[in-house]
Amino acid sequence: GAGVSQSPRYKVAKRGQDVALRCDPISGHVSLFWYQQALGQGPEFLTYFQNEAQLDKSGLPSDRFFAERPEGSVSTLKIQRTQQEDSAVYLCASSLSLSTDTQYFGPGTRLTVL
Amino acid sequence: AQKITQTQPGMFVQEKEAVTLDCTYDTSDQSYGLFWYKQPSSGEMIFLIYQGSYDEQNATEGRYSLNFQKARKSANLVISASQLGDSAMYFCAMRAFTGANSKLTFGKGITLSVRP
Repeated sequence: GAGVSQSPRYKVAKRGQDVALRCDPISGHVSLFWYQQALGQGPEFLTYFQNEAQLDKSGLPSDRFFAERPEGSVSTLKIQRTQQEDSAVYLCASSLSLSTDTQYFGPGTRLTVL
Repeated sequence: AQKITQTQPGMFVQEKEAVTLDCTYDTSDQSYGLFWYKQPSSGEMIFLIYQGSYDEQNATEGRYSLNFQKARKSANLVISASQLGDSAMYFCAMRAFTGANSKLTFGKGITLSVRP
């Protein structure tokens, strides 16, 4: 079946612009996670959802970052007034539940802020 | 809090040989899971293998096996019969199964290059 999809795959923004990154999880997966991966580093947790509820947003670096999953399926990560330090790959992952299930990742969105 | 340490900066292996990628971890949780992911240059994180902290046997998945030594807090990945397509970044990760914290904590990764 279809895996996790993300769009756009690449995004170039001028500093100060708002961006919206989309994630389509695997159908039926309850849990959805966002991670940020800086160049040459491992992914860092941003936030996660169980259905439409955002259970943990402790990894969001500032109040310019906002995530939503209004119908418990597709999720959007929004970054307002982008800064150069926001340049990274943003990875979305989903899992069947919140228990012990493996997280499956999408291809990521590479954001470059000029 | 969890911490993953991957200190090998880069690894080289000859095609068809076996290679071990090191991973040590630190956690105060009693129940946790350890994962290995592969990230080729295309960027997607591909799940390889999982080991639960209470699993008595080491996990195996095809050419991948996990050398789990709980007392030493290590979870090394062994890739047998390396193939050119194995060249990629490899990340060790863990998550605790206590409480509501389901996030993965990743190491910095190891670059593996397979030589023909």
